[in-house]
Amino acid sequence: KQEVTQIPAALSVPEGENLVLNCSFTDSAIYNLQWFRQDPGKGLTSLLLIQSSQREQTSGRLNASLDKSSGRSTLYIAASQPGDSATYLCARLTGANSKLTFGKGITLSVRP
Amino acid sequence: GAGVSQTPSNKVTEKGKYVELRCDPISGHTALYWYRQSLGQGPEFLIYFQGTGAADDSGLPNDRFFAVRPEGSVSTLKIQRTERGDSAVYLCASSLNGYGYTFGSGTRLTVV
Repeated sequence: KQEVTQIPAALSVPEGENLVLNCSFTDSAIYNLQWFRQDPGKGLTSLLLIQSSQREQTSGRLNASLDKSSGRSTLYIAASQPGDSATYLCARLTGANSKLTFGKGITLSVRP
Repeated sequence: GAGVSQTPSNKVTEKGKYVELRCDPISGHTALYWYRQSLGQGPEFLIYFQGTGAADDSGLPNDRFFAVRPEGSVSTLKIQRTERGDSAVYLCASSLNGYGYTFGSGTRLTVV
């Protein structure tokens, strides 16, 4: 079974801390990996997409990396802010136009 | 349109009733996906359309669920004889070339 795992399920940090959110997947056949943000009661907002040929992508305070050999991706958030509080989901795509397989997400709380 | 639009945003229905959920993808996006998200879980794949045809419907839980995309743009997810276990957020996403996915805000379905 193709699984995507995100541990821990929840994380609470003080404002200003740099943090890393982990994502692991069981199948090394990966086309791309996408990180999403979901606010309570809302849909998904795409944050970063890493193609299988890439190692990392950056957008502002966010940096996502991909290590296919170990089956891991990380989302690094620099200088966290209370507005970063949300659930962060990673999703793996095994081929173009194939379905995304999601992890359960990590609920992040940044304390002022 | 500029984004993926889903209507209604909320739907409350009685057990046993029929419901339709609508998704209007980004103009020109040929691929359209339906996902279902239960509380505390990541989105789970239901069905994928490439143009007008269902390319993969392996995620539909049973024959009470059906989806159409007759003109290759708007899609409707139809649920017959709704059950309380169908309560979830139903998310729609579209993609131009399978490279990245844009999600709508979802329809929160509550079956009472």
